[in-house]
Amino acid sequence: GAVVSQHPSRVICKSGTSVKIECRSLDFQATTMFWYRQFPKKSLMLMATSNEGSKATYEQGVEKDKFLINHASLTLSTLTVTSAHPEDSSFYICSARRASEDTGELFFGEGSRLTVL
Amino acid sequence: GQNIDQPTEMTATEGAIVQINCTYQTSGFNGLFWYQQHAGEAPTFLSYNVLDGLEEKGRFSSFLSRSKGYSYLLLKELQMKDSASYLCAVTDSNYQLIWGAGTKLIIKP
Repeated sequence: GAVVSQHPSRVICKSGTSVKIECRSLDFQATTMFWYRQFPKKSLMLMATSNEGSKATYEQGVEKDKFLINHASLTLSTLTVTSAHPEDSSFYICSARRASEDTGELFFGEGSRLTVL
Repeated sequence: GQNIDQPTEMTATEGAIVQINCTYQTSGFNGLFWYQQHAGEAPTFLSYNVLDGLEEKGRFSSFLSRSKGYSYLLLKELQMKDSASYLCAVTDSNYQLIWGAGTKLIIKP
């Protein structure tokens, strides 16, 4: 099956610093990747849709200047949390859709748990 | 608006059978997914239905009725490791995934 790798799986940072999370599709090309945030005991909240070679589409209420998304290649998307604050602490998950499929099936990364002190 | 409903929490006994329901109202329909998510982990794919009927895969089965906007996930011979959240998600006419809030399934010995 398709594999999506997310790194780092856990990161602790100080307030005010920036953190970059990578999402890679290891064995397929992904024209579209999605970034989610998940609060404890809650479902996935779509933050943005990342399209290779173009600007990300952010969901309402998500600050694009705070959550920078770059999708530079067909296998890599990055999420940078800028000037992190404790309230940004959360579980961030990426997913990717195969370029060759229209079913909408998503393949998820392992998730990244961010703790901002 | 687009909406997906599923129960918040269910409890079942080890070895038994449980059915998790999902109803949806979306702008268009291009398939329904069930994902399993253990606490602290990313979701994993369980099933995909795009046509009416029952899809069986081992201990798990998923059913779809497009006319009723309804699906269920059936888990048989429950094991303790099945304790997880089960997420129903529908692909709309733009192939965007609309997520349900998830059903937390608690398995008791």
